[in-house]
Amino acid sequence: GESVGLHLPTLSVQEGDNSIINCAYSNSASDYFIWYKQESGKGPQFIIDIRSNMDKRQGQRVTVLLNKTVKHLSLQIAATQPGDSAVYFCAEVTGTASKLTFGTGTRLQVTL
Amino acid sequence: DSGVTQTPKHLITATGQRVTLRCSPRSGDLSVYWYQQSLDQGLQFLIQYYNGEERAKGNILERFSAQQFPDLHSELNLSSLELGDSALYFCASSVDLGNYGYTFGSGTRLTVV
Repeated sequence: GESVGLHLPTLSVQEGDNSIINCAYSNSASDYFIWYKQESGKGPQFIIDIRSNMDKRQGQRVTVLLNKTVKHLSLQIAATQPGDSAVYFCAEVTGTASKLTFGTGTRLQVTL
Repeated sequence: DSGVTQTPKHLITATGQRVTLRCSPRSGDLSVYWYQQSLDQGLQFLIQYYNGEERAKGNILERFSAQQFPDLHSELNLSSLELGDSALYFCASSVDLGNYGYTFGSGTRLTVV
């Protein structure tokens, strides 16, 4: 069945360093992936997405890498800032089933 | 403000009661999705509506139901509430059937006592 999992529940990073958050998925038919950021008391906020015909996509300070061979997704945040502290979720969409399947989330803690 | 409006923000009710959560999608979005977020389950998909019709169902309990109205707002009805139903309930919307991003509301925190 569909499943999206995250390797690390908590990631602690020093301010200014780069952060890498990983995600594994099990459904090889998944063709659309989204990273969300969720701050305490708020709804998930879209960060960046990538389709299965791409390996890499860049946004402002964020890069998503997709490795379909090993069914792995990563989110890289450059020059991590205190405002980046949040829980990050990867989510996948498979074919015509347009619902998002979320991973369990990784909490990013930015230390000063 | 994401453009997706959920009301109420907080709700406290007793076991056995029934509540209705409301969602207004972002302007122009036709799809509405409901998710439940609890500490031990993460974000779980409940149900999706597109232009008034049910399109997909997740692990939604029979005690729960939803609908999308002609003006595209949606309501999630939770009945015979149990303590375990305490969670954050999120609504998300998208333009079409979800291939171009989803926008989430700020959620309704339901506490069942």
